[in-house]
Amino acid sequence: DAGVIQSPRHEVTEMGQEVTLRCKPISGHNSLFWYRQTMMRGLELLIYFNNNVPIDDSGMPEDRFSAKMPNASFSTLKIQPSEPRDSAVYFCASRGLTNEKLFFGSGTQLSVL
Amino acid sequence: GQQLNQSPQSMFIQEGEDVSMNCTSSSIFNTWLWYKQEPGEGPVLLIALYKAGELTSNGRLTAQFGITRKDSFLNISASIPSDVGIYFCAGFFNTNAGKSTFGDGTTLTVKP
Repeated sequence: DAGVIQSPRHEVTEMGQEVTLRCKPISGHNSLFWYRQTMMRGLELLIYFNNNVPIDDSGMPEDRFSAKMPNASFSTLKIQPSEPRDSAVYFCASRGLTNEKLFFGSGTQLSVL
Repeated sequence: GQQLNQSPQSMFIQEGEDVSMNCTSSSIFNTWLWYKQEPGEGPVLLIALYKAGELTSNGRLTAQFGITRKDSFLNISASIPSDVGIYFCAGFFNTNAGKSTFGDGTTLTVKP
């Protein structure tokens, strides 16, 4: 299996622009998680889905952030408009529904100038 | 909400030394997990623990599930340079809406 695939690996954009991060979970995994990692705040859970349905989005910072999972093999995290404080590494992770072991992608390094 | 306190925050050790780190929680978990993150990559699962008192090894790594279910420990014996990275503990309780709670990580540096 190719593992969790995220794209792009790096994104540099200007403040105010829309940013879309993409994730393909491991085939057969029913749960998908979006995390953000910064030096100051560590690993923060933004949102997670079970069977393509958002279960907990309490970690989403504000309305500028939105996430979708239109099918079992694809999810997006969108930031519109982006701000410099959104600069971070964003990770996608997946697991089986009844399995606690998370498999992470390699992350997207986002820089908002 | 639940919080995990992971310590130490960072460690600088000489190659060959043993390493110990731990994680404590204000509430109980029924699964403890330890992950390692290398530079430029996502965390990778090292060890999973499912029972209070359980001791599990993975090569030079040994982890323990605390008796109180509120803590866990990770030891690395005879460290080598490729052990460098950030080690995260995570607690999971299956009624906790299905999500793991992560510690802030221990950054390990190994000097050759």
